[in-house]
Amino acid sequence: AQSVTQPDIHITVSEGASLELRCNYSYGATPYLFWYVQSPGQGLQLLLKYFSGDTLVQGIKGFEAEFKRSQSSFNLRKPSVHWSDAAEYFCAVRNNDMRFGAGTRLTVKP
Amino acid sequence: DSGVTQTPKHLITATGQRVTLRCSPRSGDLSVYWYQQSLDQGLQFLIQYYNGEERAKGNILERFSAQQFPDLHSELNLSSLELGDSALYFCASSVMDRADTQYFGPGTRLTVL
Repeated sequence: AQSVTQPDIHITVSEGASLELRCNYSYGATPYLFWYVQSPGQGLQLLLKYFSGDTLVQGIKGFEAEFKRSQSSFNLRKPSVHWSDAAEYFCAVRNNDMRFGAGTRLTVKP
Repeated sequence: DSGVTQTPKHLITATGQRVTLRCSPRSGDLSVYWYQQSLDQGLQFLIQYYNGEERAKGNILERFSAQQFPDLHSELNLSSLELGDSALYFCASSVMDRADTQYFGPGTRLTVL
């Protein structure tokens, strides 16, 4: 069965520092992969997605993610975090249905 | 703004009651998905409809049901409500099916007292 693991429940970074949020998936074939962000009291907003092709995917708000088949990973990165990036981040895998990871809550220190 | 609308925003009801949540997909989207987000279960897929027909089912309880109407809006019906049904319920929509990107609505917060 497909599954998604986000090993980090909570991450704190300083404003301006780089960020990497981890995501590992378990699935027989290459799934469709997504990163969503959820601000408090809001719905989910799509940051980026990977279906096929170039394994480095650019998204909105300066985020990027790299698909690594050998590691079954799809980690989200940002070179310089802004205070407005504080939110909950969800990695998701799609085949017949969408499976979400448990989420990583990002806190940004001034 | 994703273009997906959900009503109501908040709903407070009592155990044993029945409620209906409504979702209007983005213009042109044929698929509608329902999700439940709770602190203990996280974000869980409930059910998907595509152009009026049920397409995929996830962890949806038998007390819950959904449908998609000819105008493509969808309703999620929750009956015999229990305290544990308190959660955020999200609707998402996509143009087609499967590989398509899903766009999420703002959610309906259900509180069962």
